[in-house]
Amino acid sequence: KNEVEQSPQNLTAQEGEFITINCSYSVGISALHWLQQHPGGGIVSLFMLSSGKKKHGRLIATINIQEKHSSLHITASHPRDSAVYICAVHSGGGADGLTFGKGTHLIIQP
Amino acid sequence: KAGVTQTPRYLIKTRGQQVTLSCSPISGHRSVSWYQQTPGQGLQFLFEYFSETQRNKGNFPGRFSGRQFSNSRSEMNVSTLELGDSALYLCASSLRSGTEKSNTEAFFGQGTRLTVV
Repeated sequence: KNEVEQSPQNLTAQEGEFITINCSYSVGISALHWLQQHPGGGIVSLFMLSSGKKKHGRLIATINIQEKHSSLHITASHPRDSAVYICAVHSGGGADGLTFGKGTHLIIQP
Repeated sequence: KAGVTQTPRYLIKTRGQQVTLSCSPISGHRSVSWYQQTPGQGLQFLFEYFSETQRNKGNFPGRFSGRQFSNSRSEMNVSTLELGDSALYLCASSLRSGTEKSNTEAFFGQGTRLTVV
């Protein structure tokens, strides 16, 4: 069983819809990352959080440490948001090695 | 400020050969981590270097090795290549200060896509 589980695996939505991607983890963590990967491979770090909520533009990330759960929300989705979104965690201890979810493949249709 | 640079971007090698990949971190970043991404296994942690020392290692065979130079540039080497080593290899750099174990944001390169034939 993967230590980091994401849902859904695939998501297709219409432009303008509110998107939610979920991430659950089973180990103690010191931080959680949300990453975005476009075709071609490059990865962009969207958020790093260890508690509460962060917002950047149309993106919002929340984490509940007690429930070992995080969500990534996209408001007013746009076709350029189409990408794979990956949840990754730092396990306790703070070492830089990350454990990754399998990713959520998001397609926003115009 | 230049981002994380990985070279080469694409590489084709034959089974049994060895390969060396390079990663230049963001200026001032002393921590470099390497990851392997395959369709079947997703992203997996290979190893992490900080100030020329390997600090953490993932669950990969000894054929996978790395090093970091005094300018923080890092290389990873894979010897005796197997078909299953075909993957996207990503490195990420982050800012660390001394022995502090706090986490900092990771910045990823574009990756090196290795194909073993």
